[in-house]
Amino acid sequence: RKEVEQDPGPFNVPEGATVAFNCTYSNSASQSFFWYRQDCRKEPKLLMSVYSSGNEDGRFTAQLNRASQYISLLIRDSKLSDSATYLCVVNMEAGNMLTFGGGTRLMVKP
Amino acid sequence: GAVVSQHPSWVICKSGTSVKIECRSLDFQATTMFWYRQFPKQSLMLMATSNEGSKATYEQGVEKDKFLINHASLTLSTLTVTSAHPEDSSFYICSATGLAGSYEQYFGPGTRLTVT
Repeated sequence: RKEVEQDPGPFNVPEGATVAFNCTYSNSASQSFFWYRQDCRKEPKLLMSVYSSGNEDGRFTAQLNRASQYISLLIRDSKLSDSATYLCVVNMEAGNMLTFGGGTRLMVKP
Repeated sequence: GAVVSQHPSWVICKSGTSVKIECRSLDFQATTMFWYRQFPKQSLMLMATSNEGSKATYEQGVEKDKFLINHASLTLSTLTVTSAHPEDSSFYICSATGLAGSYEQYFGPGTRLTVT
């Protein structure tokens, strides 16, 4: 079983749609959780951290369910520029090593 | 924000040669740098973790004699791919941490290596 698992997609959605991605992680002792965005042939960029109480940043909402070891990302009112691969990233132990999920590809179409 | 650069951004080399990739933290001191590799349509895989002034810690399956990592200063780490083969062709990305009170990793723009 992969340590961080995501549906690879692709998710093809029209502009303005709401789309949700899920991610599961294997290590119940995981410390910190993030969503990164990666454009083709570019480095990953931090989209948002994920907090236990859930957090929102504009059109993006992240949720964490520690009991189910599950993280989600909701994107509302999708824009063409949201097209990218979204990486679920987990810090599995004390310290700063990150474990990346395989990524979920999103394609927003006009 | 914290900026990490990599050089070169892309390189083509012949099989059997060695290639050095530099990773620099431009505006902060990086106590720890990470090297990742990403094959097409796959996610980032951690290759090694390096702390300034000490030997790198390699992930299982990564040959330390093939991928030489040097982290000689708080702003520079290098990855040397020795005796490169076509299967080493990949996107190599470094990241750095070190800002006080933060575990956030700042990624370099990546180096695309093609071995012919």
